Amino acid sequence: NAGVTQTPKFQVLKTGQSMTLQCAQDMNHEYMSWYRQDPGMGLRLIHYSVGAGITDQGEVPNGYNVSRSTTEDFPLRLLSAAPSQTSVYFCASSSGPGWSNQPQHFGDGTRLSIL
Amino acid sequence: EDQVTQSPEALRLQEGESSSLNCSYTVSGLRGLFWYRQDPGKGPEFLFTLYSAGEEKEKERLKATLTKKESFLHITAPKPEDSATYLCAVQRNFGNEKLTFGTGTRLTIIP
Repeated sequence: NAGVTQTPKFQVLKTGQSMTLQCAQDMNHEYMSWYRQDPGMGLRLIHYSVGAGITDQGEVPNGYNVSRSTTEDFPLRLLSAAPSQTSVYFCASSSGPGWSNQPQHFGDGTRLSIL
Repeated sequence: EDQVTQSPEALRLQEGESSSLNCSYTVSGLRGLFWYRQDPGKGPEFLFTLYSAGEEKEKERLKATLTKKESFLHITAPKPEDSATYLCAVQRNFGNEKLTFGTGTRLTIIP
């Protein structure tokens, strides 16, 4: 049972480039989310989805786009990379939305550097 | 605005030396408080959820407690494999999806 799988593990981009961070889960969880983790700051929610076809913005959504066409996959797109988006990105899934207090299962992250 | 403050930022203990990590929070209506463990280069791993003041939960050498203003993660007779960063997060009432995370306590257990 793989849990939450994120690819790639590392990526270096130039300013202005676009890319997609992949996230897949095999636990049949409806709720998925994307966080970024920066030094000296707690994890911050970027976007989340409560099920296939339904997404919404989190705390820091600007510069990112998401879609949810299947239960398993929840990719995060950087539209035009900026140095401020250098961070570690985590995808998470749970069997219920945030208000249900179901624990979130995290992937191992994508470490992204924007030059 | 919801706030979570964890202290200390870093803690070094000898193997077997018990201690506590603190998570102070401000939230308008707590739905739940979460503790996670994060190893270097890995994602956070769920440990506990606490819902109301007075609640306690235990797992091996870890015990989490909750008051109306803070939570403690007590570690008893720690071992080197307990070395990790411990994160605290709060969930607000009324359907808000946002978890507010603290910056964590980096715990090092010295053999």
